Amino acid sequence: QPVLTQSSSASASLGSSVKLTCTLSSGHSGYIIAWHQQVPGKAPRYLMKLEGSGSYNKGSGVPDRFSGSSSGADRYLTISNLQSEDEADYYCETWDSNTHELFGGGTKLTVL
Amino acid sequence: EVQLLESGGGLVQPGGSLRLSCGASGFTLRSYAMSWVRQAPGKGLEWVSAISGSGGSTYYADSVKGRFTISRDNSKNTLYLQMNSLRAEDTAVYYCAKILGGGDYVVDYWGQGTLVTVSS
Repeated sequence: QPVLTQSSSASASLGSSVKLTCTLSSGHSGYIIAWHQQVPGKAPRYLMKLEGSGSYNKGSGVPDRFSGSSSGADRYLTISNLQSEDEADYYCETWDSNTHELFGGGTKLTVL
Repeated sequence: EVQLLESGGGLVQPGGSLRLSCGASGFTLRSYAMSWVRQAPGKGLEWVSAISGSGGSTYYADSVKGRFTISRDNSKNTLYLQMNSLRAEDTAVYYCAKILGGGDYVVDYWGQGTLVTVSS
């Protein structure tokens, strides 16, 4: 079964860019993932579906500042022109052959 | 606009039962699989259970198998989670979630969540 690994924290300055990483376990580098954002005290929000090819499809209303890319087993979420409202927890998600959904541990993003 | 509205959370004693409901609108419920995902206080997201669009297939995390039952009533646009034999470690915010579909089993819409507290 795939395992998703995320760094526990990241930080970047207001107006800069940041690239968050979600790494798929060995043997699962072709898996599709989704990225979700959770602002403190709020429900998660779907950001995008991201394929191993790097192709991504964003959810409704997700700003252009959010983009995705892939390299091997790594799936990236890039946020450009960071805003204060981007300070949140970011989770990646996939599913296994038993149709069980799996989440990474999440990355807490701090905007400096 | 897709909307998911959970209800039924609350305080329950260990060993007790609770039934969560999720009212869905803005899309054709029967066309999509649905999931329940929970988040314990200060922790990450944990998938709990999922059900196919017709309700004919159900899936459970090992941590709840045999204690929780997912179901749906497409005629009432409602998803349910029956939780029995509740434990302290089941304390969490429970989110109802719509699955993207098209062969992709990831969440594309989330409800606002309902808090379940298991405590004596």
